[in-house]
Amino acid sequence: DTGVSQNPRHKITKRGQNVTFRCDPISEHNRLYWYRQTLGQGPEFLTYFQNEAQLEKSRLLSDRFSAERPKGSFSTLEIQRTEQGDSAMYLCASSRGEHGYTFGSGTRLTVV
Amino acid sequence: GQQLNQSPQSMFIQEGEDVSMNCTSSSIFNTWLWYKQEPGEGPVLLIALYKAGELTSNGRLTAQFGITRKDSFLNISASIPSDVGIYFCAGQPMETSYDKVIFGPGTSLSVIP
Repeated sequence: DTGVSQNPRHKITKRGQNVTFRCDPISEHNRLYWYRQTLGQGPEFLTYFQNEAQLEKSRLLSDRFSAERPKGSFSTLEIQRTEQGDSAMYLCASSRGEHGYTFGSGTRLTVV
Repeated sequence: GQQLNQSPQSMFIQEGEDVSMNCTSSSIFNTWLWYKQEPGEGPVLLIALYKAGELTSNGRLTAQFGITRKDSFLNISASIPSDVGIYFCAGQPMETSYDKVIFGPGTSLSVIP
């Protein structure tokens, strides 16, 4: 297992389009997190899964955002009707509940 | 809500110098974590601290969990060019029931060869 994998690495989309990102966590990690990071800021928490259950959603996650983890393994984050303010790095992390998170390399979204 | 403050915001140092940065919070944290992020990559965990007063080293890096549980510091000794990056402190707020982590705004480190 080589760590947390995120695809795509980069995504450029037109305003109003829908985008979907995928995260494959470390296989033995049951906890999965999505964060958003804008330039010059630290990562901001978006949502958390324990196995397939989504246990918390930040108020940053508007109705246009949805995340799933259907079988408790990989997760997807979808943004509908993208806006320029959605441009950011979307980071996925996984853990077993101790020793801190392991992050993926992120998906950089640019909305034009 | 919880908020972490990091200082300094940025640092420019000569290769070989020691570096010290810190992180403070207005609320108590159960866990303190220090991450390093390089351009275009996700943060990488450097040190994890779990007990008040704990002092932990990882090579040239040393970090401590403050006694009040509201602060932490990270020291880097004998800096080298590959230490360049953004260093984030992160903490697990006491009132959360799982390992949700809040990040600070980061300290940007530049090392002049």
